[in-house]
Amino acid sequence: DAGVIQSPRHEVTEMGQEVTLRCKPISGHDYLFWYRQTMMRGLELLIYFNNNVPIDDSGMPEDRFSAKMPNASFSTLKIQPSEPRDSAVYFCASSGDRTLNYEQYFGPGTRLTVT
Amino acid sequence: EDQVTQSPEALRLQEGESSSLNCSYTVSGLRGLFWYRQDPGKGPEFLFTLYSAGEEKEKERLKATLTKKESFLHITAPKPEDSATYLCAVRANSGGSNYKLTFGKGTLLTVNP
Repeated sequence: DAGVIQSPRHEVTEMGQEVTLRCKPISGHDYLFWYRQTMMRGLELLIYFNNNVPIDDSGMPEDRFSAKMPNASFSTLKIQPSEPRDSAVYFCASSGDRTLNYEQYFGPGTRLTVT
Repeated sequence: EDQVTQSPEALRLQEGESSSLNCSYTVSGLRGLFWYRQDPGKGPEFLFTLYSAGEEKEKERLKATLTKKESFLHITAPKPEDSATYLCAVRANSGGSNYKLTFGKGTLLTVNP
């Protein structure tokens, strides 16, 4: 059974460019989460969806960040324009009511470097 | 605001030397405390969920326990392959955002052979 899939695994871009990160959750999971991890702040929740609908986006740092989930098997996190302080590892995770303990399963992450 | 504090930040053990990691939390209505393991360059991997004070869960050399204010991850006779960052997270009654997890910054465990 495939886990959460994220692409790309690494992204290097210049300041001001648009960046799009992609995620495919585990089939059958109806919750999808986007996190950002840095040494300074640890793992922070940015936004999460339930049945493709955004439920809590209070962690989205500013208007430069946007996330969409057009269907149950695909989500994107977009940063436009990107800035050096956006450099971090971005994780996608999924979960569902059928998950025994509501635990979240994480993808391998996308390491973003903005120069 | 939910808060999770893990200590120590880093721990170095010799193979076979048992120890414990601490996770202190402040939440309004705990709905679950989660332990994850994270290897370098990978996403966090789920280990345990604890729901109520006094509950314990075990997996191989790891045992997680829970009180009303903190959780411990006990590592018995660790091996080098137990080296990783261990993350603690809480799920709480945070308004309508009931599926949100708040993570601590983790404990980096290194087990030397």
